[in-house]
Amino acid sequence: NAGVTQTPKFQVLKTGQSMTLQCAQDMNHNSMYWYRQDPGMGLRLIYYSASEGTTDKGEVPNGYNVSRLNKREFSLRLESAAPSQTSVYFCASQTGGSGNTIYFGEGSWLTVV
Amino acid sequence: AQSVAQPEDQVNVAEGNPLTVKCTYSVSGNPYLFWYVQYPNRGLQFLLKYITGDNLVKGSYGFEAEFNKSQTSFHLKKPSALVSDSALYFCAVRGGDYKLSFGAGTTVTVRA
Repeated sequence: NAGVTQTPKFQVLKTGQSMTLQCAQDMNHNSMYWYRQDPGMGLRLIYYSASEGTTDKGEVPNGYNVSRLNKREFSLRLESAAPSQTSVYFCASQTGGSGNTIYFGEGSWLTVV
Repeated sequence: AQSVAQPEDQVNVAEGNPLTVKCTYSVSGNPYLFWYVQYPNRGLQFLLKYITGDNLVKGSYGFEAEFNKSQTSFHLKKPSALVSDSALYFCAVRGGDYKLSFGAGTTVTVRA
């Protein structure tokens, strides 16, 4: 059972470089999310997609873009990486409804130097 | 705005003793409450959730949580902790919209 799959798991970028984090889920979920995790701050929502073809900003969207390629895939792009974007990034998905569980991927560790 | 507070950064207990991880929340309307656990270098794993109904919710690995509406709390408990329960625990709340808000996390260390 793959669940939510993220790539790459580790990446080092230089300031100003761009990259895309890929995420795919095989649970036929409608909603997908990108979070970042920083020490002592819990998880903060970057972007959200309620369904294929829609995306919305979360708490910390600046410096990021997203694409909901199809129902399965939701990518996160850093156009010009900054050291402040050094973090652990998690993709997640769920079926519709506020009471439903969000399932997380294994994370992508990104360092910007 | 909705929010979650986990007042303890760290909880230390001896193996076999009860474990409690505290969580309080603030949200408009009825809350949907979740607990997740994270092991080192891994993603978050779902433990349990409260949607409606019985205030005592049972989840994975022997964990349970008690919803208290008057105190706006959702504390996680385990009657007898194991060394393997050592991990980072997150409480999260959702109101009527899509947004799931997380607490800062509590590191649990269970000593043998």
